[in-house]
Amino acid sequence: EAGVAQSPRYKIIEKRQSVAFWCNPISGHATLYWYQQILGQGPKLLIQFQNNGVVDDSQLPKDRFSAERLKGVDSTLKIQPAKLEDSAVYLCATTGTGVSYEQYFGPGTRLTVT
Amino acid sequence: AQSVAQPEDQVNVAEGNPLTVKCTYSVSGNPYLFWYVQYPNRGLQFLLKYITGDNLVKGSYGFEAEFNKSQTSFHLKKPSALVSDSALYFCAVREAGSSNTGKLIFGQGTTLQVKP
Repeated sequence: EAGVAQSPRYKIIEKRQSVAFWCNPISGHATLYWYQQILGQGPKLLIQFQNNGVVDDSQLPKDRFSAERLKGVDSTLKIQPAKLEDSAVYLCATTGTGVSYEQYFGPGTRLTVT
Repeated sequence: AQSVAQPEDQVNVAEGNPLTVKCTYSVSGNPYLFWYVQYPNRGLQFLLKYITGDNLVKGSYGFEAEFNKSQTSFHLKKPSALVSDSALYFCAVREAGSSNTGKLIFGQGTTLQVKP
């Protein structure tokens, strides 16, 4: 089966600009996660979707970050306006509806804010 | 609150030698435990998991991990390291139970360097 797809792979923007990331999950995977991975740290959950509903967005900086998952498939994560501390890799992960529990990760988008 | 600790930033081993990457966790209930590996410019790749049952779990590429409830540990092991095992390894935990959202809490990662 095809894996989790993300685009773009790399993005460089200036602070105060906006940026959007896209994630296409594994077919049939109902749960989708966005993680932020700052250099030297483990991934930190930003938001979790179950189909097209938000399950957990407690760690999402809602003043500048937004995410949506229209039709319960693809998802986009947006940052507006970006800050220097947003420089990180943004990872999308999905989980199937069975009891496998493990999450499948995409390759990530590396964001550099200058 | 759930947490994961990986006490070693880096582990160095010689090829052919056994390796251990340490992980301890903290959850209020029963844990689900995971190991992931990350190669440069790649996403995280699932290695193995402990959900229930046998404390010794086997995973991909010859890796295994032992769940120790009394020590709240889940160390990753491999009997004979390969140079190609060199990568960044993450331990993660989630709390079992129907009320849990499935969120994973990750450790900070351990870089494994295997030298020829």
